[in-house]
Amino acid sequence: GESVGLHLPTLSVQEGDNSIINCAYSNSASDYFIWYKQESGKGPQFIIDIRSNMDKRQGQRVTVLLNKTVKHLSLQIAATQPGDSAVYFCAESPGTASKLTFGTGTRLQVTL
Amino acid sequence: DAGVTQSPTHLIKTRGQQVTLRCSPKSGHDTVSWYQQALGQGPQFIFQYYEEEERQRGNFPDRFSGHQFPNYSSELNVNALLLGDSALYLCASRKQGVNTEAFFGQGTRLTVV
Repeated sequence: GESVGLHLPTLSVQEGDNSIINCAYSNSASDYFIWYKQESGKGPQFIIDIRSNMDKRQGQRVTVLLNKTVKHLSLQIAATQPGDSAVYFCAESPGTASKLTFGTGTRLQVTL
Repeated sequence: DAGVTQSPTHLIKTRGQQVTLRCSPKSGHDTVSWYQQALGQGPQFIFQYYEEEERQRGNFPDRFSGHQFPNYSSELNVNALLLGDSALYLCASRKQGVNTEAFFGQGTRLTVV
């Protein structure tokens, strides 16, 4: 399949370590935020979401943190595995029914 | 559940030609959105269809048009293709009125030569 994000910022992490991927968003009216994972040749896959009335949400091995004051979103992946290698995008929206505006993406490389 | 399915997976067209891409939403979903993803970039919103009408539109020219059918499937049409239209075209579906995330298909890779 094709490569997604040939010139994206890259984060290299050793297997077993924790990963933190950061995202700055631009629209202060955004109410809904999502992290997607995109593997080469595939469409974006939902990881976790958070609404603006929360500042933290946890899933299985993943945590999303939202700082509305500085318009910053982060994704934390615990005990990173080789299967986590992909491009990660944050997306924002004024509501769940509305269009998504995606960030530029970060490539996560997991080394053994 | 087959999820969101798109066809074809790959397509090569010549400048000036027209193309139609197809999307079948996830079972139970009634809202379809289309995105364009250039290489190395995040997806860009083209438009959204619900109840067979265009509900929202991104910053794309009129050469990009769409349609939604009574069975909720959707088509994206692009006329007068330009080299810059080469991209991965993604379809996403969701259920209107339900607070759930959008599910994406695997995309159609369009190459304009």
